[in-house]
Amino acid sequence: NAGVTQTPKFQVLKTGQSMTLQCAQDMNHEYMSWYRQDPGMGLRLIHYSVGAGITDQGEVPNGYNVSRSTTEDFPLRLLSAAPSQTSVYFCASSAGQEQFFGPGTRLTVL
Amino acid sequence: GQQLNQSPQSMFIQEGEDVSMNCTSSSIFNTWLWYKQDPGEGPVLLIALYKAGELTSNGRLTAQFGITRKDSFLNISASIPSDVGIYFCAGHHSGNTPLVFGKGTRLSVIA
Repeated sequence: NAGVTQTPKFQVLKTGQSMTLQCAQDMNHEYMSWYRQDPGMGLRLIHYSVGAGITDQGEVPNGYNVSRSTTEDFPLRLLSAAPSQTSVYFCASSAGQEQFFGPGTRLTVL
Repeated sequence: GQQLNQSPQSMFIQEGEDVSMNCTSSSIFNTWLWYKQDPGEGPVLLIALYKAGELTSNGRLTAQFGITRKDSFLNISASIPSDVGIYFCAGHHSGNTPLVFGKGTRLSVIA
C-alpha cells in the first residue's frame, strides 16, 4: 500500500493563478480531509469528505474548493491564489478514528 | 473552531531526560490520538486511546486517556535525539465528525 499520496511536493504560484493539489489513498478509506499548517497555528481543517459525493466545510474553507467523485481521490482546488494561502497542505484519510496523513504539499504564493 | 489546549508549546531537554506533555479540553472526547511530525513530513500516529482511564504504551511512549474524558497526556522516557519534532494531540467526538487538533508541542533534544 502506498497509503496517502500527495502531488506536487512543492509549488510556487503567482497571485491570481489557479491550481489543484492532488490527494489519493489506496486504503479504501471513506473519510478524507485537507488541512493547512502554518507556524504556531497547528493543523487547521479546510474541507472534509465522509464518502464519495459528499463534502463539507472545515474551519478555514474560504478560497478552496473540493470534490469527491471517487473513494480514492480528493483534490483541493485554489481558484485564485492569494499570498495568505502560502502554507503547507496535508491530506489525510481514515476508516475509523485514526487518521493517516500524506507527506504534504508546500505552496508559496507570490 | 474548537481547539485543544496543548502544553507546553515548546520544550528543550537533555538527552536521556523524561518528557511530559498534555492536552485539555472543555468538552468530552470519545477518542484521543497522539501524533508526531518530523521536519518536512506529515504527522504520524503514535498512540490511539479509546476508553476513559486507558493507559497505553508504544516503546518509550506512554499516553493516558483522562478519566474525565477531557484530557490526555503523553510521556516520553529516556529521550533520544530522534525524538525531536512536533507532537500533536487530537480528539474525536463521535461518528464522522472531524478530528480536533492541539497546536502542538515542539520538542528539542540536546545531546
